[in-house]
Formats: sequence, C-alpha cells, structure tokens
Amino acid sequence: AQRVTQPEKLLSVFKGAPVELKCNYSYSGSPELFWYVQYSRQRLQLLLRHISRESIKGFTADLNKGETSFHLKKPFAQEEDSAMYYCALTPGSNYQLIWGAGTKLIIKP
Amino acid sequence: NAGVMQNPRHLVRRRGQEARLRCSPMKGHSHVYWYRQLPEEGLKFMVYLQKENIIDESGMPKERFSAEFPKEGPSILRIQQVVRGDSAAYFCASSPSRQSNQPQHFGDGTRLSIL
Repeated sequence: AQRVTQPEKLLSVFKGAPVELKCNYSYSGSPELFWYVQYSRQRLQLLLRHISRESIKGFTADLNKGETSFHLKKPFAQEEDSAMYYCALTPGSNYQLIWGAGTKLIIKP
Repeated sequence: NAGVMQNPRHLVRRRGQEARLRCSPMKGHSHVYWYRQLPEEGLKFMVYLQKENIIDESGMPKERFSAEFPKEGPSILRIQQVVRGDSAAYFCASSPSRQSNQPQHFGDGTRLSIL
C-alpha cells in the first residue's frame, strides 16, 4: 500500500540549531516526493520536490530509495521556519498526492 | 492572480443538513482536486475534476458526497445529510495540467463543523 509516514507530530529546536524533519514512504515504484509547508494563517504551499534538487529557504531534501526516505533538513533553523510541514508523494505521473500527517516545527528563540 | 479561492472559510451545519463547498481555481487552471483533512491526520485525496468531467472519484465516500466542476463557475463539493464524522477541513487545489511537474496550488480550505 502507498503510504507516507512522518513519525514526529511535533519538533522543537532552538534558533540556529540544525533541523531534520523525517519522512518515510512506502511505494514499490518510482514516486515523486514533495515537501509542503503551511505557515501560520497562510495556505499550504509547495516548499520543494525531489526532482528539482533545489534548496528553498535553506531547506534541502534528498530522496534515499534504499531507506525509502525523504527527510527535510536545514543546517541553521530560523524563527520564521516555524510552521506545519507535510511530506507527500505522487506515484509516477499520477496526479494524486498521498500525504503524511504532518510535523509541527517550532523554533525557539 | 488571487490564487485558489475557497468559500466559505468556515461552515457550520446541523446533522442532516446539506453542505456546499466552493472552489475557484487559479486563473488558467482547469484541473481541480479536493482533499479532506481529519483532525491529527494528513490530507486524503477525494476527487479530481476537469471542466465538466469527473476524472477520478476513488477517494469519495460512496454515499452523500458529490462533486462537480461546471463549464462556468466554481467547483462544488456537496455533502448531503451531513453527520458528525464529516467535520473536517476540506482543501481544494488546482493545476494547469495533470502532469506531476505542475505542482498543485492550494486554497485556504473550508472548515466544516457539524453540530
């Protein structure tokens, strides 16, 4: 079955500390992985996707097919990074997004 | 471009009433997706529509739920005879095509509360 797991409901780190939000997936084929973010009082928006291999707002995520993971990382957290983060996958060229339950990231000053 | 517009933002209904949720996609987008988010859970796909066509409704409950995307006007998600379990946030997203390299853009969602 296709599934996305975000094991941490809540992650709290100090400003300037490294951040890693975990995402594991279950899918037998070649999925496309995404991270979406929802800041307070804002709508859900795409943060990054694995095919782009880009860094957005200092965040990166590497697809590890061996471990079926797509963890989101940032070396130095900033207070404005506080938000809900959702990992999602779409199977191949399918449009359907399959979502994790989300991780609430709190950056303490 | 105002982005994906959903209304109302909050909707309260009593058990047995009907709920209508509206979604206007981004300008130039003809593909609309509806997702439901229950408390403490991730979003769950419900239905995918193109103008005047339902492409995939595999995530829709078999009864009481329906969706449409007419030639003119917004997409409507309709829930008849609502029950307490329908309380959730309903999100709409749109994209210009169904290709996975075209990210889906989301609305603010409609929070449905059933009394």
